[in-house]
Amino acid sequence: EDQVTQSPEALRLQEGESSSLNCSYTVSGLRGLFWYRQDPGKGPEFLFTLYSAGEEKEKERLKATLTKKESFLHITAPKPEDSATYLCAVGRGSTLGRLYFGRGTQLTVWP
Amino acid sequence: DTAVSQTPKYLVTQMGNDKSIKCEQNLGHDTMYWYKQDSKKFLKIMFSYNNKELIINETVPNRFSPKSPDKAHLNLHINSLELGDSAVYFCASSPRTGYEQYFGPGTRLTVT
Repeated sequence: EDQVTQSPEALRLQEGESSSLNCSYTVSGLRGLFWYRQDPGKGPEFLFTLYSAGEEKEKERLKATLTKKESFLHITAPKPEDSATYLCAVGRGSTLGRLYFGRGTQLTVWP
Repeated sequence: DTAVSQTPKYLVTQMGNDKSIKCEQNLGHDTMYWYKQDSKKFLKIMFSYNNKELIINETVPNRFSPKSPDKAHLNLHINSLELGDSAVYFCASSPRTGYEQYFGPGTRLTVT
């Protein structure tokens, strides 16, 4: 039973073409929603943590938002170096430390 | 100034062998984790230690045994390796349990 679903599985954007990645979750007692970036052959790199609905975090061209059932990662005017797999994970209050990962969105930005 | 390091980076071995993967973090974190990423890139937690104490032990074959000699190190020993153990294994650490986790570069294990 998937508790975290990411869409789309893959996304191709032209440089400068803004878009959003979606992460929907069904866990109860959310204890943090985490976004990671993973480049081929490397470990996931931490981007953001969101804890409550309405919260937003920004870093360069990325902005993460959270509602009660989903999170969005907005990418504004992406560049080719933003190409990577973006992973979403959620933590539950009843099982601290155990993160449930989605299967990721593979983003390709072409010049 | 590597934060979370793992050795080796690549590990190729035959079925039935025993192997270990080592992990070290210099972030001063209290909690460390082992994850397995399968061929479809799905990341799943295996174990977690908080200050050398095992706190998460997912449904993992007994052939996998973690060991934490101190809070900066978490090793993974695998006995009687099987073809299905082939995957990328990631170590991670977090300041405290439940907070954001920082991952190592991964160890690609190939069992032939």
